[in-house]
Parts: sequence; structure tokens; C-alpha cells
Amino acid sequence: DTGVSQNPRHKITKRGQNVTFRCDPISEHNRLYWYRQTLGQGPEFLTYFQNEAQLEKSRLLSDRFSAERPKGSFSTLEIQRTEQGDSAMYLCASSPQLGETQYFGPGTRLLVL
Amino acid sequence: GQNIDQPTEMTATEGAIVQINCTYQTSGFNGLFWYQQHAGEAPTFLSYNVLDGLEEKGRFSSFLSRSKGYSYLLLKELQMKDSASYLCAVFTGGGNKLTFGTGTQLKVEL
Repeated sequence: DTGVSQNPRHKITKRGQNVTFRCDPISEHNRLYWYRQTLGQGPEFLTYFQNEAQLEKSRLLSDRFSAERPKGSFSTLEIQRTEQGDSAMYLCASSPQLGETQYFGPGTRLLVL
Repeated sequence: GQNIDQPTEMTATEGAIVQINCTYQTSGFNGLFWYQQHAGEAPTFLSYNVLDGLEEKGRFSSFLSRSKGYSYLLLKELQMKDSASYLCAVFTGGGNKLTFGTGTQLKVEL
């Protein structure tokens, strides 16, 4: 399978705990994106990377959120001190270059109790 | 700001044709995408329009009018498996990110 993969697929945590998600993009895709989707809504942009450089962050990405792509391959998204409002599907996508089709992974569904 | 509008729900009959409309107002436009999303799954790419006109791909076609800020997705010969949410998304920020509409939930009935 050469698609975008994400782990874990599901995560249940208690409020105040930290969580980390991983995304493995399609091989040789330079661009990697994180989106968040809540029920009944379309995905909302969070941040994106060009290789290992994080080039843009949405205002949705509070100080509790941090994303990395240390070697320009996989990426991690960490949420510190989770809140119930963080409950959502976190989607990762990758594309070969600027302006090209983004291909999405299966997502990580987070539930904060 | 960005504003993308599409109907919330639509219902159609198996074997029929359905058109899902999308209007957008964005600062900067670099293309429009349609994605299909089944419940609990990731969005899957359907089509991409950057120039005005119709793009056809099998049972699916997508149309774009940049001057009107309008697009539609046409699904022919509907099948039960086409029941899903259809997301309209605009490339903004110089092609760096997608801005999505809320999605149109299509229900295909017998």
C-alpha cells in the first residue's frame, strides 16, 4: 500500500493528557498537510510542511499544538493538555509539489473525555 | 475571507443523474477540487478544475466558471455506493492549502 498512512486510527484520552499522532506520506511527496474535521463539517487546514520546513500554521493551531517533520518524511502532531473541544478527526494529506492534488490518509479519530 | 457554499443534503434515485452545486468567494483562487468522503473515512480525490469548462471522468463530471465563482459535480448512473458526502474545496494561499465547504450529504435510494 503506497497511500498516506496514519497512526493510531483511534485515540481515547482523558482531558489534560498529551497525545501524539503520526503521519507517513506517500513516498517522495514533498508537501505534507494536517487538517482537522468535526462532525458535519469539511476539513479545516491546520498546518503544512515543505520537506522538513513548517511553512504555515492556521490560527486554529493554538500553543498546545505542535507539529514536526524532522527528516522531511513522516510527521507528528502533538496536542498537549487536551481539551474536550479537541475531539475531532485529524487528517493528514500529502502532495508531490505546490498546487498539486492532495491525497488524504485514513485519519486519526480523537475523543477527549 | 473564504466562503464556500454547497447544499447540506440531497437525495436521488439509483440510476438517475444528480448535480451538486458549489459557490465560492475566496481571496485568491488556484483551482477547485471535489472529494468524496464515506462516513468515517478519508476524503478521496474525484476531480480538479483550474480552467473554465467541463472535466469528464467516467460517471463523474465537474464544471467550473471562475467568473461566477461556481462549480458543480455531476454524477451519472447513480449507484448505492455513491451515497457519501461530497466536498467542494478551493486551492487558496497560492496553492498551499485547501479550503473546504461543509460537504453535501448525498443519499441514493432505490
